[in-house]
Amino acid sequence: DVKVTQSSRYLVKRTGEKVFLECVQDMDHENMFWYRQDPGLGLRLIYFSYDVKMKEKGDIPEGYSVSREKKERFSLILESASTNQTSMYLCASSLGTDPPGWLRRRGEKLFFGSGTQLSVL
Amino acid sequence: SQQGEEDPQALSIQEGENATMNCSYKTSINNLQWYRQNSGRGLVHLILIRSNEREKHSGRLRVTLDTSKKSSSLLITASRAADTASYFCATDIQGAQKLVFGQGTRLTINP
Repeated sequence: DVKVTQSSRYLVKRTGEKVFLECVQDMDHENMFWYRQDPGLGLRLIYFSYDVKMKEKGDIPEGYSVSREKKERFSLILESASTNQTSMYLCASSLGTDPPGWLRRRGEKLFFGSGTQLSVL
Repeated sequence: SQQGEEDPQALSIQEGENATMNCSYKTSINNLQWYRQNSGRGLVHLILIRSNEREKHSGRLRVTLDTSKKSSSLLITASRAADTASYFCATDIQGAQKLVFGQGTRLTINP
């Protein structure tokens, strides 16, 4: 089975800190995603990547950046954490793309990590 | 309102009963997917139905899709306590190259 591992289940940070959320998948998936989940708002896409060193903005990229230096690892960075970034962060991956460059082969399912509950005080 | 809205927001039934959740969306889709999320955990894929399919089954799950009404339903038959979770629909929107998730239905199965 595909395993998507997020480095922390719970994280508490202070306003203004730089925060790194790490995600690793073990099935050689091409596509990786970062979502945040808030009550009443569902899941919202922050950033995604369909290849090493490639990144695309999702629906709410402001205040975030990402890094994908290796295929298996996708990092989400909060440059200067703010209280409104308190949320559950979910990483996901999916198999691959055909042709290369498309976000996702049609009909692909996402595999999610267990999530990181981030509190910014 | 958002693409992919689930109805109801919360549902509480007795063990053994059937649970039905609905999802409506606004734009044309390639496929629609259903996911389950146990409290405080990540999402797990349950089933995918393509835009040219009308019904799909997987174990105790039955999904229907009506593209003319832009709606889908997820039926869980003979519910169990372990089915207690939140259920999300996700639409693969044509031309958008991303999955858009709804807000979810919180299902509680009472023993």
